[in-house]
Amino acid sequence: GAVVSQHPSWVICKSGTSVKIECRSLDFQATTMFWYRQFPKQSLMLMATSNEGSKATYEQGVEKDKFLINHASLTLSTLTVTSAHPEDSSFYICSASGQGHGYTFGSGTRLTVV
Amino acid sequence: GNSVTQMEGPVTLSEEAFLTINCTYTATGYPSLFWYVQYPGEGLQLLLKATKADDKGSNKGFEATYRKETTSFHLEKGSVQVSDSAVYFCAQGGDNTDKLIFGTGTRLQVFP
Repeated sequence: GAVVSQHPSWVICKSGTSVKIECRSLDFQATTMFWYRQFPKQSLMLMATSNEGSKATYEQGVEKDKFLINHASLTLSTLTVTSAHPEDSSFYICSASGQGHGYTFGSGTRLTVV
Repeated sequence: GNSVTQMEGPVTLSEEAFLTINCTYTATGYPSLFWYVQYPGEGLQLLLKATKADDKGSNKGFEATYRKETTSFHLEKGSVQVSDSAVYFCAQGGDNTDKLIFGTGTRLQVFP
C-alpha cells in the first residue's frame, strides 16, 4: 500500500528559531499534499493544500509567511515553521494523494517550542 | 458549506461490547466518506471508506454504510477489544485533490 513518511516525529526548538518538517511519498507520486495541524484532543485543521510545482493554497487564518510550504517534487513536500513561538506548539500531519492513492497520512510531527 | 458532525466522546465500553459511533454529514454533492483511526501519539490511519450511496466499508471488524437518505455514515463493531482504544474521525472528501473535512473525533476507551 501507499506509504507516506514524515520526519521528524518530534522536535523541540527554541522560541524564534525555524523548524522544517518533511513529508515524503515513498512509493507513489504525490501530486497533491495537504498539511494539517491538530491541537490536543481536537480535530485536524487543514492549513494548506499544495500541488507539485505550484504555490500552496492556504486556508483562511493561516499565515503564509509563518508556515512556508514547498512542494518542489512529486515525492517531497516541506513545511517550515518560521520564527516559532510557544503557541505554534502542536501536532502537524501531512497527507498525500496521487496516482490513484488518496489521502495517505504521515505519522505526524509533534513540535514543542520552548 | 460542507461539514461533518460526529458524536462527542469519550465512549467507554467493556471488552466485547457493541460499538456505534454516529456520524452525519452535510454536502452539496455526493462526497466520499471515510473513517480514520488515530492511536496515541500517531498519525491517522484509514480504517474504511465508501464512495457512493449504499456502499458499505469494512475493515478489522468495523463497518459503516453510506446512507444518502439520512446523510449518515455510522461506525459499528460487534465486539470491541482493548486494542481498539483510539480516537476515531469521520471525514468527507471529493476526488483526491480535494481536502478532507473532518469531524471533531470521538475517543473510544475499551476496558477489559
